[in-house]
Parts: sequence; structure tokens; C-alpha cells
Amino acid sequence: KAGVTQTPRYLIKTRGQQVTLSCSPISGHRSVSWYQQTPGQGLQFLFEYFSETQRNKGNFPGRFSGRQFSNSRSEMNVSTLELGDSALYLCASSVTGGGAYNEQFFGPGTRLTVL
Amino acid sequence: DQQVKQNSPSLSVQEGRISILNCDYTNSMFDYFLWYKKYPAEGPTFLISISSIKDKNEDGRFTVFLNKSAKHLSLHIVPSQPGDSAVYFCAAPRGPTDKLIFGTGTRLQVFP
Repeated sequence: KAGVTQTPRYLIKTRGQQVTLSCSPISGHRSVSWYQQTPGQGLQFLFEYFSETQRNKGNFPGRFSGRQFSNSRSEMNVSTLELGDSALYLCASSVTGGGAYNEQFFGPGTRLTVL
Repeated sequence: DQQVKQNSPSLSVQEGRISILNCDYTNSMFDYFLWYKKYPAEGPTFLISISSIKDKNEDGRFTVFLNKSAKHLSLHIVPSQPGDSAVYFCAAPRGPTDKLIFGTGTRLQVFP
């Protein structure tokens, strides 16, 4: 069974630009969660999508948005990029979502650098 | 508000010895805890979990201990191997369908 895939793996943008990251979950998984990892901050939860609906949301500004398609693939968009948005963005898929009792499988991440 | 804390950013242990990684939490409502392991250029992978109805869970070389009164859990790796060198995150969900809250991670280095 193929794992979680994320594209692109690396991305360099400049301040003010926008970016779209993509995540393809494991086949059969309906939940996709997005996390931001920065040094010293660990993994910060961005949002979770389940069956094309945003079910949970973290404490990030509205510049961060996402969506999920009918095939469970998900995209994350960041508009008006800031230097502080430089981070590793991870997505995780699970069968039914939520943090407990349903193991989350992570993709390798997209490394975003904002110059 | 960091509800899950890993106060040691790094740990260095000799091969064959025990590695002990610590995690503290502030929310007494947490009833399930997970440890994830992350290698560079890879996503985190699930390692071991523990429910609050237990105080210990063991899986091979990995054992997680939970002290609910102290709101503290620890991951023991015995014996430590160089391949265990990675960043370890503890995490807790706010509820069965809610998000995982992660600690900041501890980088473990196991040297020969």
C-alpha cells in the first residue's frame, strides 16, 4: 500500500507570494491533517479535513487555508507569505481522523523557504 | 499555551545504554498519549502509545510509563541502538476526534 505523498518536497518563495501544497493520503483514508514544524515549536496543528469538510482548526491566521477533494486528496494554501512561514509542512492521513485510537500516517513533508 | 512539553531538546546516550525521554502535560483531561519518531527528511512515524487506564506499556525495546498524578510520561529505550538516533515527539489528543497536540521534540543521539 502506497504511503502518504506530498508535493512538492521543496519550495522557495518570496515574501508576499502565495503557495499551494498538495497531499495524497493513503488509499481508503478519509482524514487529512496538516501540521507546521518549526525549530523549537514542534508540530503545530493547522487543520483537519474529513470527507471534504474542515473538522478541526488550529490557531493560525486566515492566510492559511485548505481544502479536500472527493478523492480525499488535500491542498493547503498560504497567501501573502511571511518570512516566519518558513517551515516543514507535514500532512497526515488516517482512516477516520482524530488524534486518538486512529493511527496517523505522515508524509515526508514539504520544506517551504520564504526569502 | 504549550499543553504538552518536552523540556529536553536533546539527549546523547551511548549504544547499549538506556535512553529516557521525558514529557510533561498540563491538561488533566488527556487520556491517551502517543510517541512518534522522526528521522530527517521523513515524516514522523508512530512508535508506541499508552492509555490513561494503564501506567506502563511495553513493545520490544520501547516502554512508555505514565504517572497521572505528576502529569508526566517517559519513553525508555533499552538497549539503545545507533538507529534510534532521531527526534522523538510525545503527543496527546484533546478527544477521540480532535487534533493531536505535540510536544516540541527531543533529539536523541546514540553513539557507539
